[in-house]
Amino acid sequence: AQKVTQAQTEISVVEKEDVTLDCVYETRDTTYYLFWYKQPPSGELVFLIRRNSFDEQNEISGRYSWNFQKSTSSFNFTITASQVVDSAVYFCALRDTGNQFYFGTGTSLTVIP
Amino acid sequence: NAGVTQTPKFQVLKTGQSMTLQCAQDMNHEYMSWYRQDPGMGLRLIHYSVGAGITDQGEVPNGYNVSRSTTEDFPLRLLSAAPSQTSVYFCASSPGLSLEQYFGPGTRLTVT
Repeated sequence: AQKVTQAQTEISVVEKEDVTLDCVYETRDTTYYLFWYKQPPSGELVFLIRRNSFDEQNEISGRYSWNFQKSTSSFNFTITASQVVDSAVYFCALRDTGNQFYFGTGTSLTVIP
Repeated sequence: NAGVTQTPKFQVLKTGQSMTLQCAQDMNHEYMSWYRQDPGMGLRLIHYSVGAGITDQGEVPNGYNVSRSTTEDFPLRLLSAAPSQTSVYFCASSPGLSLEQYFGPGTRLTVT
């Protein structure tokens, strides 16, 4: 079974719109870690955020915010007032008590000027 | 501080050829891993290592070998390349399993 599901394959928004990228994960462990990465068109993978399973506080960093809800096994990512530079593929990932990281299939975001 | 480096950036192989993708990190990270990225599939773990001398298989290990003789280096070997191994390969390292991974720039491999 897929451990991380990103159901949105592609999203297009007009600049300055808000957009939320969904991430649903699956694990039986009580201790686990969730991550978001960004892959711009240049191809590199850029770390955005890490969250552990004991910290359900939402996080805001500038225009980015993350909503972690254990009750629904979700770790959603919102970009407020999107910009063209936000166009990228975004990956959600999980590391549970095994030694492996599991990545979702990614959401491709296009911000139209 | 170079971070995670990968060589080569691009490679074309013929079916049946062998080659090694190099990965090195200068951050003294214990955890290193190899992923392949294919369209619509996200990143899939090939092999990983939690320290020098220790390696283990990930989700898609068939056709690939790894070794970890030093903390810094984690080469990925393709013993007999197949067209199904055409992909972009990323190496990553992390200071700990609970921490984020740092990725190399990737190697684009084409097998004809």
